[in-house]
Amino acid sequence: DAGVIQSPRHEVTEMGQEVTLRCKPISGHDYLFWYRQTMMRGLELLIYFNNNVPIDDSGMPEDRFSAKMPNASFSTLKIQPSEPRDSAVYFCASSLGVTGELFFGEGSRLTVL
Amino acid sequence: AQKVTQAQTEISVVEKEDVTLDCVYETRDTTYYLFWYKQPPSGELVFLIRRNSFDEQNEISGRYSWNFQKSTSSFNFTITASQVVDSAVYFCALRETYKYIFGTGTRLKVLA
Repeated sequence: DAGVIQSPRHEVTEMGQEVTLRCKPISGHDYLFWYRQTMMRGLELLIYFNNNVPIDDSGMPEDRFSAKMPNASFSTLKIQPSEPRDSAVYFCASSLGVTGELFFGEGSRLTVL
Repeated sequence: AQKVTQAQTEISVVEKEDVTLDCVYETRDTTYYLFWYKQPPSGELVFLIRRNSFDEQNEISGRYSWNFQKSTSSFNFTITASQVVDSAVYFCALRETYKYIFGTGTRLKVLA
């Protein structure tokens, strides 16, 4: 079975550019999470969805960040405009039900110059 | 507010030694779930175990074992006879209702 699929795996961009990260959760999973991982802050929960509906976006750092889940098999995390401090590994994860464990994608490593 | 504390930032052991990774959590809920994840140098996050708040039975899986104690709000992870392949960052996580919170992780280095 396919796991969580993220793209791109690596993104290098210049400050001010728009960045879009993509995620395909495991089929049938009803929860989707976006995390950001940095050395300084560890794993931070940015936003999560239940049945495609955003439930809690309190972790989104600022208005430059937005996330959507137009259907059960696709989500995007957009940063516009990007800044060097956004450089991090962004993970998407999905789970089945409230009690399920998270299945993570391989992450998207973003470098903003 | 819920919180997960992994006080050990980094641990180094020599191969074949036993090592315990500590995890202490805080929550107001009576129903919650605890997890351990492993992040090897390749970067992916791998699920290891899930425990619900009503099941305090310890669990053993090969060289891995977990000790859950509600009285001390701890969910510790022991690796017996450690191997170089165990070198990774290990994260403890707490899930209550919908939110999933991770600790800061413990970096384990197993030296040959």
